[in-house]
Amino acid sequence: RKEVEQDPGPFNVPEGATVAFNCTYSNSASQSFFWYRQDCRKEPKLLMSVYSSGNEDGRFTAQLNRASQYISLLIRDSKLSDSATYLCVVFSGSARQLTFGSGTQLTVLP
Amino acid sequence: DTAVSQTPKYLVTQMGNDKSIKCEQNLGHDTMYWYKQDSKKFLKIMFSYNNKELIINETVPNRFSPKSPDKAHLNLHINSLELGDSAVYFCASSQGVRLGNNEQFFGPGTRLTVL
Repeated sequence: RKEVEQDPGPFNVPEGATVAFNCTYSNSASQSFFWYRQDCRKEPKLLMSVYSSGNEDGRFTAQLNRASQYISLLIRDSKLSDSATYLCVVFSGSARQLTFGSGTQLTVLP
Repeated sequence: DTAVSQTPKYLVTQMGNDKSIKCEQNLGHDTMYWYKQDSKKFLKIMFSYNNKELIINETVPNRFSPKSPDKAHLNLHINSLELGDSAVYFCASSQGVRLGNNEQFFGPGTRLTVL
């Protein structure tokens, strides 16, 4: 089992749609969780951290389920500019390791 | 102003050559990193470095070595390049040394092609 696993997609959705991505992680001792966004042929950029109680930033909502070892990202009212690859990132303090998922590709269609 | 910059942006070279990629950050961050993103888009950390500690991912061949002349620079040297080294290499930096709690700021990447 991969340390961090994501559905690679691609997810093709119309503008205005709601889309959700899941990410599972194998290390139960993982401590910190993030979603990064990577545009085509560009560098990754932090989208949001994921907190235990769940958190929201505008149209984006992140959730953490420690019992089932997954995190999710929900995007409401999708915009064309949301088209990108979304990377799930997990940090394990004990292993001092930051692990990136391979990303989920999203294309928002007009 | 570019926060994390890398040069060159593209690097095409022959197997067996030795090459370097330069990285500079002007954010005043304490820690810098090198990542490799392969053709399957997996982004893997290779090194993290601050002025006190170099942490090496044990899977990284010793042909790869980071060199830091000062806090704002972390260059990547690669000896005896192999076909499998072809990838995009990203430099990154973060404030502080706590890897898990600090946003990673990435450079634009260097696309290395080994022929």
